[in-house]
Amino acid sequence: AQSVAQPEDQVNVAEGNPLTVKCTYSVSGNPYLFWYVQYPNRGLQFLLKYITGDNLVKGSYGFEAEFNKSQTSFHLKKPSALVSDSALYFCAVSSYNTDKLIFGTGTRLQVFP
Amino acid sequence: NAGVTQTPKFQVLKTGQSMTLQCAQDMNHEYMSWYRQDPGMGLRLIHYSVGAGITDQGEVPNGYNVSRSTTEDFPLRLLSAAPSQTSVYFCATTQGEQYFGPGTRLTVT
Repeated sequence: AQSVAQPEDQVNVAEGNPLTVKCTYSVSGNPYLFWYVQYPNRGLQFLLKYITGDNLVKGSYGFEAEFNKSQTSFHLKKPSALVSDSALYFCAVSSYNTDKLIFGTGTRLQVFP
Repeated sequence: NAGVTQTPKFQVLKTGQSMTLQCAQDMNHEYMSWYRQDPGMGLRLIHYSVGAGITDQGEVPNGYNVSRSTTEDFPLRLLSAAPSQTSVYFCATTQGEQYFGPGTRLTVT
């Protein structure tokens, strides 16, 4: 069975500092991995995805994620956090195709000025 | 191009009432899905459809029905609302990545 774990309910970081939001997964076969962001009272917005190829994936708003097969991880990163990055972040995985996704429980990112 | 639209934005129901949450898309995507979002539980898949006339159950289908008569529309029906169905409901389409609607916040009293 597929599963996704986001071990941190909340991540706090000062503006200008690097940020990491953690995600680990469990699937049979090759994983398709995604990150989405949700701002208050909004639907989810796509940030980036890993399907195959380069392990470092670059996405929207300066975010990137690194696929690590041996550690079954897909952590979201940004070199310099902005207050406007404060939001709820979801990691998702699929092992069959990009249609049926299993989502993690979400990590709230709080960036302090 | 409106993307994915959902109506209503907010709804309050009494236990036992029925209602339909509407979802429409203008992107001609075959795959559509319904999720519910609850605090601390992320998004859970209720039902999904791979095209007109084809639907299937997701992780938490009980208490919900769907149909897909056209590519554009994918309504979610609650036949007899229960307080446990209080949640925020999102419709999404998929083509390479998922595109989410703005959500419907449902409260069942």
